[in-house]
Amino acid sequence: IQMTQSPSTLSASVGDRVTITCRASQSIGSWLAWYQQKPGKAPKLLIFKASTLESGVPSRFSGSGSGTEFTLTISSLQPDDFATYYCQRYNTFQSTFGQGTKLEIK
Amino acid sequence: EVQLVESGGGLVQPGRSLRLSCVGSGFMFDEYAMHWVRQAPGKGLEWVSGISWNSDNSRYADSLEGRLTISRDNAKKSLYLEMNGLRPDDTAVYYCAKDIGPESIDYFDSWGQGTLVTVSS
Repeated sequence: IQMTQSPSTLSASVGDRVTITCRASQSIGSWLAWYQQKPGKAPKLLIFKASTLESGVPSRFSGSGSGTEFTLTISSLQPDDFATYYCQRYNTFQSTFGQGTKLEIK
Repeated sequence: EVQLVESGGGLVQPGRSLRLSCVGSGFMFDEYAMHWVRQAPGKGLEWVSGISWNSDNSRYADSLEGRLTISRDNAKKSLYLEMNGLRPDDTAVYYCAKDIGPESIDYFDSWGQGTLVTVSS
């Protein structure tokens, strides 16, 4: 099963609402996680089971979807949110990440 | 606070072997599955391997199986990755990551800072 994110790069401004999409080549139920990674740092878990917010993650982050299409939405971009975001399929013999979406400042 | 500290990276010649280590603290190491994830320079994340809490189940990425051995020593709170026949395209930062459960099939709630492996002559 392949995980495909879109767009690869997204330019946005502070305060914008942005959505990143992750598509699975076959249904994966709700077994999807989202991570945020900043340059030179390890990834950070944001969301699991497609829509459950990890403890301590700001509520402006939300996830939705099931089956083959999933979205990560940031309701009002903050300066700290400019980073690269990855989706991950889990609950499987071999986990798979999407190729990443880089969120840039416009 | 959960901490994962990787070591063992460095410059290695093509065809050689390398063993990476990861020491965990701040959690019950022997209750959780652990994983290795790598990231080539400027590229995305690639899951490499995972091992269950008791070492009964080990999993590998198809593209790497046969060249890797994942293992753990719960008494030492340590995770290992033995890599053989290293190639230039194995050059990457290798992260150790903690699973949220005992079997190596879930997502990762803690990551180490990574150790850089450079394969070059």
